[in-house]
Amino acid sequence: EAGVAQSPRYKIIEKRQSVAFWCNPISGHATLYWYQQILGQGPKLLIQFQNNGVVDDSQLPKDRFSAERLKGVDSTLKIQPAKLEDSAVYLCASSSLDQGYGYTFGSGTRLTVV
Amino acid sequence: LAKTTQPISMDSYEGQEVNITCSHNNIATNDYITWYQQFPSQGPRFIIQGYKTKVTNEVASLFIPADRKSSTLSLPRVSLSDTAVYYCLVGLYNFNKFYFGSGTKLNVKP
Repeated sequence: EAGVAQSPRYKIIEKRQSVAFWCNPISGHATLYWYQQILGQGPKLLIQFQNNGVVDDSQLPKDRFSAERLKGVDSTLKIQPAKLEDSAVYLCASSSLDQGYGYTFGSGTRLTVV
Repeated sequence: LAKTTQPISMDSYEGQEVNITCSHNNIATNDYITWYQQFPSQGPRFIIQGYKTKVTNEVASLFIPADRKSSTLSLPRVSLSDTAVYYCLVGLYNFNKFYFGSGTKLNVKP
């Protein structure tokens, strides 16, 4: 079974620029998550999709972050404009409804804002 | 959502058994306890999940007392490759929404 694919692997941008991350979940997984992990901290949930609908985006900074999951498969997370404090690893995870034991994570995209 | 408390870090030596305890005093009746492992530059990886008593798989054991207010992840005979951050999470089985704490950084020494 192929894992969760994310790209790019690394990204360096200047503050106030925009950036987008892409995620391709495991085939058939209805639920997709984006997490932000700042160095030294645990992952923080940003948004949860069920198919192409948003289930929870309560911790997504909506003034600068946006995410979509068209057709209920791939997803993109965008930051516009980026701030220095957005420097982090952005992790995508997916799960199926009957996979009660949790998620499968991708390797993440490491974002550095300078 | 039940909050979890874990030690920030632990040291061990190769070949020893390591026990990492997690406190979750306000765990709800329907909550499960799940542990993840994370290596540098990788996403977290599922290790084990349980509801009560003891669960064992090829990687670890999970001990949960009757009151379920804590749990202990047991790693038998650790090796250098077990050096990682270990997260304890509490959440609903089917709702699939877990929140991560800061985890326990395990350092295995030769």
